[in-house]
Amino acid sequence: SQQGEEDPQALSIQEGENATMNCSYKTSINNLQWYRQNSGRGLVHLILIRSNEREKHSGRLRVTLDTSKKSSSLLITASRAADTASYFCATDARRSSASKIIFGSGTRLSIRP
Amino acid sequence: DAGVIQSPRHEVTEMGQEVTLRCKPISGHDYLFWYRQTMMRGLELLIYFNNNVPIDDSGMPEDRFSAKMPNASFSTLKIQPSEPRDSAVYFCASSSVTEAFFGQGTRLTVV
Repeated sequence: SQQGEEDPQALSIQEGENATMNCSYKTSINNLQWYRQNSGRGLVHLILIRSNEREKHSGRLRVTLDTSKKSSSLLITASRAADTASYFCATDARRSSASKIIFGSGTRLSIRP
Repeated sequence: DAGVIQSPRHEVTEMGQEVTLRCKPISGHDYLFWYRQTMMRGLELLIYFNNNVPIDDSGMPEDRFSAKMPNASFSTLKIQPSEPRDSAVYFCASSSVTEAFFGQGTRLTVV
């Protein structure tokens, strides 16, 4: 079963606009990560936010985390054509001393020129 | 490091045949994950290992699927016998607790 669910499933915006994607999860986490997947490729890690953090920045990326609502958002500012990809949130479902990474269903982002 | 290496990149096989997918994780990573991605079901975790030991195989769809990790540098995912509904992209990923690094995937087509 999937731990995270992204919203929206698909998003199409004009180049230069900001893109916001949301993720909700079910169980307690130690951290939440966002990944990007270009068509036909493996996933690439973008950013990690720990459960005791509320906001994190990396370049044009801004991630927020609300553990009380079990939700996170990824904001991409000043979008570019190269940002067209699928974006996934991932949570670690910690079980004893081992940790498994569970991915959500993803948001397909299209940037229109 | 060359990253996570999967082979083959593409596999086309006939229904009923055995399929073996291979993965070489990044040296030093103690977690290895096998995922399956389809349009219908998204990215599913099949099984993961910690220090070569299978920790959770609850995502393995049925007994036709098996995975092994004989040493820290190699893992296999085997499907026997294969069925058309197994067609998907299979990803291997390795991690040292937090960030996961993905291979390029194996696109499996069962006809």
